[in-house]
Amino acid sequence: DTAVSQTPKYLVTQMGNDKSIKCEQNLGHDTMYWYKQDSKKFLKIMFSYNNKELIINETVPNRFSPKSPDKAHLNLHINSLELGDSAVYFCASSQGQGTGFQPQHFGDGTRLSIL
Amino acid sequence: AQSVTQPDIHITVSEGASLELRCNYSYGATPYLFWYVQSPGQGLQLLLKYFSGDTLVQGIKGFEAEFKRSQSSFNLRKPSVHWSDAAEYFCAVGGRSNYQLIWGAGTKLIIKP
Repeated sequence: DTAVSQTPKYLVTQMGNDKSIKCEQNLGHDTMYWYKQDSKKFLKIMFSYNNKELIINETVPNRFSPKSPDKAHLNLHINSLELGDSAVYFCASSQGQGTGFQPQHFGDGTRLSIL
Repeated sequence: AQSVTQPDIHITVSEGASLELRCNYSYGATPYLFWYVQSPGQGLQLLLKYFSGDTLVQGIKGFEAEFKRSQSSFNLRKPSVHWSDAAEYFCAVGGRSNYQLIWGAGTKLIIKP
């Protein structure tokens, strides 16, 4: 069973389109994250939700909007896609409560290419 | 300022040789330290973590790392690398009550046959 699953794995689309990426985790974690990894492999945190509440909201264009319908899901919607949005987007989850900082578990990534 | 530095953008080692990947951090509170590996086209997988206690931690795939508080370092080691270890390696630091990890820029490991 996949612990953190993202769909789609690949996304090729035209500039100006709107697209969504879905993420689900079956680990029972209460915290989920979205990261962007650029072509140089640099990882940038975008958002994080804990128990459906937004707790990390880094400086990203407001064309990016996360949505967490429940603890197990965190989706990312992107409006008016631009060339610079081409990257790999990773979803991750962790157990944020309890005895301290717990490791994050990552999905396999969504490779977004803008034409 | 909080930061993680991985000084080597890429490292090339021969198969069977030993490996050490460097990680230095700057963090204002007690650090929780992690090493992740990213194989080509894959997500990140946790190799090992340090929270407290013994400063030498063992991870998966034969990796280990040593926490040295005086040097603010958490270097990753493996006594004998295999071709399948070729990947990108990331060091990260977080805090007890902080959800956000600070990530290094990664070190690409290349294995020579």
